[in-house]
Amino acid sequence: GEEVAQTPKHLVRGEGQKAKLYCAPIKGHSYVFWYQQVLKNEFKFLISFQNENVFDETGMPKERFSAKCLPNSPCSLEIQATKLEDSAVYFCASSPRRGDRTRYGYTFGSGTRLTVV
Amino acid sequence: DAKTTQPPSMDCAEGRAANLPCNHSTISGNEYVYWYRQIHSQGPQYIIHGLKNNETNEMASLIITEDRKSSTLILPHATLRDTAVYYCIVRAALQSGGSNYKLTFGKGTLLTVNP
Repeated sequence: GEEVAQTPKHLVRGEGQKAKLYCAPIKGHSYVFWYQQVLKNEFKFLISFQNENVFDETGMPKERFSAKCLPNSPCSLEIQATKLEDSAVYFCASSPRRGDRTRYGYTFGSGTRLTVV
Repeated sequence: DAKTTQPPSMDCAEGRAANLPCNHSTISGNEYVYWYRQIHSQGPQYIIHGLKNNETNEMASLIITEDRKSSTLILPHATLRDTAVYYCIVRAALQSGGSNYKLTFGKGTLLTVNP
């Protein structure tokens, strides 16, 4: 389809529990990006993938956060032992493959709101 | 860090043109100017992008100065549904390498369209 599907829409976890978020990119898109929006207007880049390979992980916290994009599966972002400060909306975006000149904009999903209590 | 500067907020009357400015004085030759907006807490929505020529699509027009140090997004006939935070983003071409091929968001401009 032509939308990036993120699940679940809302996720509540107790401190210390694991959280797993999913993102199905648009079919045919090769790049996937994860962003964290903690405060209104403040987006933080986490990680990007080119197909199943990590493309850029410069924004990924060293501990507790991991992500994967495996063939024929939604991409996932996992947070081990969640903390209160992980509460945020997590957005996923996908982008066409390299050299595609029809459109360069990313398409974002509607996000997963993670609340850690 | 974001490479752009935008006013934190602007108002516009419904039906009038909304002109949103953006400064990107350190832009380099292979960097594009992108505009996105976020309505309420939805995912950011792509609006338009350009390199050095002015661009127009069904949503908006993008005017880039000749020296490329600033640009203006124009919504020709703003409606109430255009109320959103608008982000001006500078992004390198994919060929420049992995860590440059991502959108770095600043704080954006909250555009409020008034009836």
